[in-house]
Amino acid sequence: EDQVTQSPEALRLQEGESSSLNCSYTVSGLRGLFWYRQDPGKGPEFLFTLYSAGEEKEKERLKATLTKKESFLHITAPKPEDSATYLCAVWGSSASKIIFGSGTRLSIRP
Amino acid sequence: DAGVIQSPRHEVTEMGQEVTLRCKPISGHNSLFWYRQTMMRGLELLIYFNNNVPIDDSGMPEDRFSAKMPNASFSTLKIQPSEPRDSAVYFCASTLAGGQAYNQPQHFGDGTRLSIL
Repeated sequence: EDQVTQSPEALRLQEGESSSLNCSYTVSGLRGLFWYRQDPGKGPEFLFTLYSAGEEKEKERLKATLTKKESFLHITAPKPEDSATYLCAVWGSSASKIIFGSGTRLSIRP
Repeated sequence: DAGVIQSPRHEVTEMGQEVTLRCKPISGHNSLFWYRQTMMRGLELLIYFNNNVPIDDSGMPEDRFSAKMPNASFSTLKIQPSEPRDSAVYFCASTLAGGQAYNQPQHFGDGTRLSIL
């Protein structure tokens, strides 16, 4: 059965303090791993899609990386506006649908 | 550009009542998804339409739930009869997919917060 686990559940950082969020997955035949950002009271907003181990993608202060077992979302010198819940999702060849993790709630203090 | 539009934003109703949630996808998108989000279960895919046809409804929890897409610009998710455990935030998302819709970035609406008393 395909599974997605995100850690930590919550992370509080000082502005400028870099860190990483983890997404561990168990899936048969990864077709895609996705990162979304969700602000309170809003729907998720697409950030990245990764397809194969070794792939990396960047957007402003965010960088997503992928291995065969996990993905990391690295945030460099975060700002308070980066505060949000970050969701990871996977789609595998054995699953008929996309599966989301429970998210990491990131809080950046000024 | 208008994003995905959902209505109502909030719905409070009593157990046993029929609930209808509405979604207008982004113009030109051909795939539409309905999700449910709760603290306990996170974000779960309920049903996926492609070109107005239901492709995967394996996430629909039970027969009380039904979804329709009569045309490319409108979809509904109906719960009848509603139960307290249906309380959640329901999201609609759309994308333009040539083949594998799950691999395309999904554009989400801001959701309907449903409370069943």
